[in-house]
Amino acid sequence: EPEVTQTPSHQVTQMGQEVILRCVPISNHLYFYWYRQILGQKVEFLVSFYNNEISEKSEIFDDQFSVERPDGSNFTLKIRSTKLEDSAMYFCASSDLGLGEQYFGPGTRLTVT
Amino acid sequence: QQPVQSPQAVILREGEDAVINCSSSKALYSVHWYRQKHGEAPVFLMILLKGGEQKGHEKISASFNEKKQQSSLYLTASQLSYSGTYFCGTARMDSSYKLIFGSGTRLLVRP
Repeated sequence: EPEVTQTPSHQVTQMGQEVILRCVPISNHLYFYWYRQILGQKVEFLVSFYNNEISEKSEIFDDQFSVERPDGSNFTLKIRSTKLEDSAMYFCASSDLGLGEQYFGPGTRLTVT
Repeated sequence: QQPVQSPQAVILREGEDAVINCSSSKALYSVHWYRQKHGEAPVFLMILLKGGEQKGHEKISASFNEKKQQSSLYLTASQLSYSGTYFCGTARMDSSYKLIFGSGTRLLVRP
């Protein structure tokens, strides 16, 4: 069964450093998403991406964040200068239809020290 | 703006039923239901669209009242594997690529 994969599973970085989180969506999916979840809290929408451009973004997704689909398979989330409050689990998801059912990857736990 | 879920937590005995509710103050295009187990990613359960279309797992049922902007997830004959946190996610009519999740309902099924 096809699945979304994410790397790394855990990333530790120092405040102010840049991080890139990587995702490989399900191959025939066209819509891609990033969410984050602070420990014990709800899942928060960051951004949706379709046809090589951002469709929607939340207030959290400020100038420090960017997304890219550098090739036909990867989808990345970059945080330019990490802050302590960026520590969270980051989930990538994909769907074949715009807001059809979304399939989540296993997540990357980002720890900013 | 986020949907409101109720109850916040439920404890069941195996075999019992539960209903989890999700409501929004905004006009919705769709409601999505996910279950998340501790330390894992959310898993898709059901999507309900404006107009009545729905898609999901066979053993899960849900409803969407478009007039009230409310959805309910029905868990019948609960099994131990149903334990986890249930999130509803809502997409508004004017922002259909943005899924906003509620705070979740923690469900514990005991033997």
